Amino acid sequence: DIQMTQSPSSLSASVGDRVTITCRASQGISKYLAWYQQKPGKVPKLLIYAASTLQSGVPSRFSGSGSGTDFTLTISSLQPEDVATYYCQKYNSAPQTFGQGTKVEIK
Amino acid sequence: EVQLLESGENLVQPGGSLRLSCVASGFIFGSYAMAWVRQAPGKGLEWVSVISDSGDITYYADSVKGRFTISRDNSKNTLYLQMNSLRAEDTAVYYCAKGRASVVAAASNYWGQGTLVTVSS
Repeated sequence: DIQMTQSPSSLSASVGDRVTITCRASQGISKYLAWYQQKPGKVPKLLIYAASTLQSGVPSRFSGSGSGTDFTLTISSLQPEDVATYYCQKYNSAPQTFGQGTKVEIK
Repeated sequence: EVQLLESGENLVQPGGSLRLSCVASGFIFGSYAMAWVRQAPGKGLEWVSVISDSGDITYYADSVKGRFTISRDNSKNTLYLQMNSLRAEDTAVYYCAKGRASVVAAASNYWGQGTLVTVSS
């Protein structure tokens, strides 16, 4: 099975900072990669699909890039409401594995 | 407005069985793949199973294969997860999620509020 590895596991950044989260697949998955945001106590929310397509209604400060095995989620200017855990997920084939998550906090 | 309403909280003994339901509204249920994702207390998301729009294609995580069965009734706009031989490690919040497309290879763009399943004696 393909493994999904996120880094870092957690990060602390200041409001307005540019934040980058990386997701690496153990084998190529083309662009079948999604990013989700889960705020504390809330339901996961789709941010990006097909590696770089922004889900409707998601602020433009979120962006995704990559293909094959290496992917990136970028928050261009971190806001207080972005405090959450972020997960990547591959969905090209089963199992549709999630990464272990990256917890983002405000410094 | 898309809504996904899972069945209520459940407590079951190890080795027992349980069927979760997820009633969908606000979209053409029979046109989209659906999935179950779970989250153990304090842990990350774990993909469990996915089913195609017609129900003819299903996949499972190794951790539940042979014990869980996903199904759907498009006439009732309802997704199911039959869980047998439950173990303590199956304790989690179970989310149903709507796929962005009819095929199983799709991200999940809407999620239910989740239902807690506790496996304990």
